[in-house]
Amino acid sequence: NAGVTQTPKFQVLKTGQSMTLQCAQDMNHNSMYWYRQDPGMGLRLIYYSASEGTTDKGEVPNGYNVSRLNKREFSLRLESAAPSQTSVYFCASSEREPQHFGDGTRLSIL
Amino acid sequence: QKEVEQNSGPLSVPEGAIASLNCTYSDRGSQSFFWYRQYSGKSPELIMSIYSNGDKEDGRFTAQLNKASQYVSLLIRDSQPSDSATYLCAVKIGNAGKSTFGDGTTLTVKP
Repeated sequence: NAGVTQTPKFQVLKTGQSMTLQCAQDMNHNSMYWYRQDPGMGLRLIYYSASEGTTDKGEVPNGYNVSRLNKREFSLRLESAAPSQTSVYFCASSEREPQHFGDGTRLSIL
Repeated sequence: QKEVEQNSGPLSVPEGAIASLNCTYSDRGSQSFFWYRQYSGKSPELIMSIYSNGDKEDGRFTAQLNKASQYVSLLIRDSQPSDSATYLCAVKIGNAGKSTFGDGTTLTVKP
């Protein structure tokens, strides 16, 4: 059972570089989410998608874009990375609850 | 005021004791309440959900909800060192859409 798969697991970027974080789920869930988690803090919602073809901003969307490519895949893009975006990024999916989380991407921006 | 607040911690209890984790929320329209456990360096996993006032028990875990006081708690009986983790409270408004997470309380159970 793969569940929610995130790639890459680790990434180091320089300020101003761009990259896309990939997320795929195999549970046929309608809803998918992107969170960031900073040290000592909870999960802050960046964007979510209630169903294929729809996306909505969460609590901290600035500096990010998302694409719900199909029901399985939900990607997060950083167009011009900044040091403030250094964090652990989690993707999650759900059909109501609970949310099922991927293993996370540890992203460092230098 | 944050939408979901948890006791700041860290919380340390001896093995075998009861650990009590607390969470308050600001939106009276909140309908669904969840406790996730997150081990260091790992992703969160759901351990309890509660939707109506009162207590809900699952093994050593009991969730308590009081909507009038806007308060939800998690009790862990007979705490074990394997319970050492960060516990995240999450609150959802309505049956669809997003949940809001608290900052978490880190629990350490000492042998």
